[in-house]
Amino acid sequence: DAKTTQPNSMESNEEEPVHLPCNHSTISGTDYIHWYRQLPSQGPEYVIHGLTSNVNNRMASLAIAEDRKSSTLILHRATLRDAAVYYCILRDRSSGSARQLTFGSGTQLTVLP
Amino acid sequence: EPEVTQTPSHQVTQMGQEVILRCVPISNHLYFYWYRQILGQKVEFLVSFYNNEISEKSEIFDDQFSVERPDGSNFTLKIRSTKLEDSAMYFCASNSPGGGGGLDEQFFGPGTRLTVL
Repeated sequence: DAKTTQPNSMESNEEEPVHLPCNHSTISGTDYIHWYRQLPSQGPEYVIHGLTSNVNNRMASLAIAEDRKSSTLILHRATLRDAAVYYCILRDRSSGSARQLTFGSGTQLTVLP
Repeated sequence: EPEVTQTPSHQVTQMGQEVILRCVPISNHLYFYWYRQILGQKVEFLVSFYNNEISEKSEIFDDQFSVERPDGSNFTLKIRSTKLEDSAMYFCASNSPGGGGGLDEQFFGPGTRLTVL
């Protein structure tokens, strides 16, 4: 399975943009890039996903490199509530066993007031 | 907004006892999952369930574990004889078939903290 690499931790100031990187150099053509986050003492929560083009939703933006070997989750204005572990997960649409989510260690985002 | 619910929020049991963790997935969802997270570790997939049968399971999901959808709303995880190492947060998740065949976003419940003494 294609793997992802994320920094263990990052810090941001409140109300500033945050760019959370993810490397996935062995990504295949049928892998979608998904991002989930886990707030303290809660279950994981879907954030965004994409295949090739950049994506925006109400929570965040996803910027995908042209070669798809890396991506960046962008929180436009971090709030204290955005402090969480952020997971970058690849999901292969061509695989019958792709429905499960395989979580790595993620990036612990700390937002400073 | 619809949400996945789980009961109880915290379960304490003695080693060797059976426990049943309950989940109510979002009502029109067809794929159901259990994950667990041992304190300080990664979230790990246990099992997925579709069309009233297990569709995938991990190595963790051995004969001590079973899942059931006893009625149209509940989805349960049973651990037959709990061990100390079963202490963890257990998360239920569900998703709709959509166009992604189960690859769409998964909605997670708040979890049940299982403590085995």
